[in-house]
Amino acid sequence: EIVMTQSPATLSVSPGERATLSCRASQSVSSNLAWYQQKPGQAPRLLIYSASTRATGFPARFSGSGSGTEFTLTISSLQSEDFAVYYCQQYNNWWTFGQGTKVEI
Amino acid sequence: QVQVVESGGGVVQPGRSLRLSCAASGFTFSSSAMHWVRQAPGKGLEWVAVISYDGSNEFYADSVKGRFTLSRDNSKNTLYLQMNSLGPEDTAVYYCARAVNTLIETWGQGTLVTVSS
Repeated sequence: EIVMTQSPATLSVSPGERATLSCRASQSVSSNLAWYQQKPGQAPRLLIYSASTRATGFPARFSGSGSGTEFTLTISSLQSEDFAVYYCQQYNNWWTFGQGTKVEI
Repeated sequence: QVQVVESGGGVVQPGRSLRLSCAASGFTFSSSAMHWVRQAPGKGLEWVAVISYDGSNEFYADSVKGRFTLSRDNSKNTLYLQMNSLGPEDTAVYYCARAVNTLIETWGQGTLVTVSS
């Protein structure tokens, strides 16, 4: 099983600041990496796929990068609606999720 | 729009069974593989199972293999998850999700399953 490790567990930032979330895979997943955003009481929502392609409905301040085993989600200027938990997930070999990064004020 | 709606959750005693349903709309259900993903209270996401577009193949996480069974009725645009021998560790919100190739794309709002005596 491919283990996905996210860091940090919690990221405290202020509105307008830049947020950088990391995700590491225990073995290469090529670019088969997705990011999901989950707000309290809501279902996860696809944010990024193929490591760097933004899903429909998300603004350009969200960007993804990386390949192989190291991936990054960057939110360039945090808005109030961006405070949420973000999960990375690999879909190269079955499906496994990271434990999540909570972005909070 | 693409939509999946889960139902069937509730409180069930340990060792008992429960069947979840997922009604799909807004896309060609019979052409889409479908997943179940669960989330224990206050915890992260755990992939549970996937079924191919035609129901000919199913794959399960080790944690549910032999206890859970996926099926689908393409004539009704509905996915089912039969859960047997439930234990407290199965307490979670269960999400149905549409696959696009191997990507888990669209999620439902989830249905809560609580296993408790």
